[in-house]
Amino acid sequence: GAGVSQSPSNKVTEKGKDVELRCDPISGHTALYWYRQSLGQGLEFLIYFQGNSAPDKSGLPSDRFSAERTGGSVSTLTIQRTQQEDSAVYLCASSFRMVTNEQFFGPGTRLTVL
Amino acid sequence: LAKTTQPISMDSYEGQEVNITCSHNNIATNDYITWYQQFPSQGPRFIIQGYKTKVTNEVASLFIPADRKSSTLSLPRVSLSDTAVYYCLVGGPNDYKLSFGAGTTVTVRA
Repeated sequence: GAGVSQSPSNKVTEKGKDVELRCDPISGHTALYWYRQSLGQGLEFLIYFQGNSAPDKSGLPSDRFSAERTGGSVSTLTIQRTQQEDSAVYLCASSFRMVTNEQFFGPGTRLTVL
Repeated sequence: LAKTTQPISMDSYEGQEVNITCSHNNIATNDYITWYQQFPSQGPRFIIQGYKTKVTNEVASLFIPADRKSSTLSLPRVSLSDTAVYYCLVGGPNDYKLSFGAGTTVTVRA
């Protein structure tokens, strides 16, 4: 079946611009997660959704970052006034159960802020 | 999540068995051991998960000794396509904030 998809695959933007990253989870997966992976680094947790609500936003680096999920499916991660340190690969994952360490990851969106 | 320690890199040749050992001295009673694989320009992929003794699936085997302070991921008869970074994670069933360290970069040569 179809896996987690993310778009765009690559995004180059100028410092100060806003960007939106999209995630389509696996159908039927109620939990959705966003992570960030900087070059040569491990994954950094950003936010977790159960359905359309986000019980844990603790990983969002600043108030420039926000995320929403609609219809219990698609999620959008928005970064306002991008900074160079926001450059990274943004990964989305989904899982069937609410809390699990078996998560299915998308291919990621590589964001480059010039 | 419990801290884990694994080798930074390992080299192997096609057809050989690769064993990656992960140390997790502070593993908690309800923690599971999970391994992920990540290819360049892709997201991590779940490989295998276990609690104790041995778990085997079509991709790998996971060996966990009785004290559970370490675990070994075994990849049988590797091919060039097994070249990837392998991550060892330890956490309870409610730990959804996956914490990936640097992982082990496995390079398979012809």
